[in-house]
Amino acid sequence: EPEVTQTPSHQVTQMGQEVILRCVPISNHLYFYWYRQILGQKVEFLVSFYNNEISEKSEIFDDQFSVERPDGSNFTLKIRSTKLEDSAMYFCASSEGRGPTYEQYFGPGTRLTVT
Amino acid sequence: GQQLNQSPQSMFIQEGEDVSMNCTSSSIFNTWLWYKQEPGEGPVLLIALYKAGELTSNGRLTAQFGITRKDSFLNISASIPSDVGIYFCAGFSWDNYGQNFVFGPGTRLSVLP
Repeated sequence: EPEVTQTPSHQVTQMGQEVILRCVPISNHLYFYWYRQILGQKVEFLVSFYNNEISEKSEIFDDQFSVERPDGSNFTLKIRSTKLEDSAMYFCASSEGRGPTYEQYFGPGTRLTVT
Repeated sequence: GQQLNQSPQSMFIQEGEDVSMNCTSSSIFNTWLWYKQEPGEGPVLLIALYKAGELTSNGRLTAQFGITRKDSFLNISASIPSDVGIYFCAGFSWDNYGQNFVFGPGTRLSVLP
């Protein structure tokens, strides 16, 4: 069964450093998403991406965040200058279409630890 | 922004017992979704509800979309150890300006053998 994959599974970085989290969505999916889950808290929407541009973004997704689909398979989330409060699980998801009738499939997540 | 509340926050039950949890919001959603998250994994969709009053089952799971469109419940019958995890509700709404997808804080379920 096709699945969303994410790398690395765990990333440790120092405050102020840039990190890139990588995702490979399901191959025939057209919509891509990033979510964040701070330890012990709820999953929070960051951004959705379609046709090489951002569709929606939340208040969390400020100027230090960016997303890119650099080739036909990868979807990346870049955090420019990490802060301690960026420590969280970051989940990538993808769906065939837009809207609630299209299930979003989540990857296993990347645990980001900022020290 | 829109927020969801889930209750209970956590529950400990004996294997074989039925479980009920619910999700409420001060805002109306067009769609309610229930996800399960196991340790070290991403959320997995269990049930999606699209119409007010809709009652949907998926095996031992049953969920309902509240008539007011501001709440939903999830029931698990005859719980088993693999039901352990965090159950998140999520509300989905959309308008001409875009879509909004909000997760609740989760209900942590522990099943005692």
